[in-house]
Amino acid sequence: DVKVTQSSRYLVKRTGEKVFLECVQDMDHENMFWYRQDPGLGLRLIYFSYDVKMKEKGDIPEGYSVSREKKERFSLILESASTNQTSMYLCASSLGGGAGAQYFGPGTRLLVL
Amino acid sequence: AQKITQTQPGMFVQEKEAVTLDCTYDTSDPSYGLFWYKQPSSGEMIFLIYQGSYDQQNATEGRYSLNFQKARKSANLVISASQLGDSAMYFCAMRELPGIGFQKLVFGTGTRLLVSP
Repeated sequence: DVKVTQSSRYLVKRTGEKVFLECVQDMDHENMFWYRQDPGLGLRLIYFSYDVKMKEKGDIPEGYSVSREKKERFSLILESASTNQTSMYLCASSLGGGAGAQYFGPGTRLLVL
Repeated sequence: AQKITQTQPGMFVQEKEAVTLDCTYDTSDPSYGLFWYKQPSSGEMIFLIYQGSYDQQNATEGRYSLNFQKARKSANLVISASQLGDSAMYFCAMRELPGIGFQKLVFGTGTRLLVSP
């Protein structure tokens, strides 16, 4: 069965803190993604990776970085958290190539105070 | 640029009835894929159904079917025999093909479905 897990369901951090959100998939998928979801704005792509150590900017990469040292793990890093990064963060993975759905983790609700 | 439009912010349906959730898309690429996802209040996005632009038949998955009208650029989701557990947000998404190893999805803003007893 498809499985994507995220390290935390809920996080509360202070402005200026460094925040790590981790995502692990057990499906041997090549592609991994980080989205944020905000009311009225839908899902927006932050970063994605199509291979180990490879990364591409999505639509809203400012204020974020990512790391993919192993195929199954994709980390999202907020170098210095700000209140406007309070959001729901969703990780997804998919097979490489041109077909196939993205499978999502349960999400992390981040509150930055 | 890709664009997905879901014009219904909310829909109500009675249990056991069918409901159609609208989705229109805009792309200049002849090759693309269309997806529907369900997001319950728990937050997880659940993949429901996929339609490729070259697929001749409308996709079906159990109680879910996709009414694909290519000329009108619409990809409506039909849920038959609604159940209380179908109450959730539903998102339409599109991916242009072919990719080069990545698959960027563009999502609509979603429709909230409420199923009443």
